[in-house]
Amino acid sequence: GEDVEQSLFLSVREGDSSVINCTYTDSSSTYLYWYKQEPGAGLQLLTYIFSNMDMKQDQRLTVLLNKKDKHLSLRIADTQTGDSAIYFCAESDSGGYNKLIFGAGTRLAVHP
Amino acid sequence: EAGVAQSPRYKIIEKRQSVAFWCNPISGHATLYWYQQILGQGPKLLIQFQNNGVVDDSQLPKDRFSAERLKGVDSTLKIQPAKLEDSAVYLCASSPGTAGEDTQYFGPGTRLTVL
Repeated sequence: GEDVEQSLFLSVREGDSSVINCTYTDSSSTYLYWYKQEPGAGLQLLTYIFSNMDMKQDQRLTVLLNKKDKHLSLRIADTQTGDSAIYFCAESDSGGYNKLIFGAGTRLAVHP
Repeated sequence: EAGVAQSPRYKIIEKRQSVAFWCNPISGHATLYWYQQILGQGPKLLIQFQNNGVVDDSQLPKDRFSAERLKGVDSTLKIQPAKLEDSAVYLCASSPGTAGEDTQYFGPGTRLTVL
């Protein structure tokens, strides 16, 4: 079945770039998403990429997609303490009605 | 535009008791989802409604979980009887239901603790 994997933890210094990686298994996924979850809150959509794209940039966020390797990454430029959160990668289930399959999340810690 | 509303935000019950959660989606959104998020894991879909019909409930433990969406708007998710392993955050999401990219917007969740 579908599976999404992420590294569990990333620590960066304030002002540096953060890169969060994700691998997925469903080669037919049409859209891939990045969500952010702060403590006690729901999931906030950050960005998504269509599967026929290699890259998408949105202000400080850059998404890279390597469809051949089924690898997705999220780069956050000039990381700030407010970026500390859990980041979830998700693929849309090609066999379902827009069902999302989530990874376990990467906890990003930003330190001074 | 108001977001997805959920209540209660927190609930503590003892095992074998029953509990219900309520969700009000974004106005005009045709599709409503209930996800279960166990601590340390990503959300897992329990049930998906398109208007007031169920389109996917393959991962809903139907012996104890039930959900309904009356008049294609609000939804309730019920657990009866609850087990210890049901302790989790229950997230409701909604999306417009359009073909192609159909972004899901999440509510703040209900944190359930079963003792």
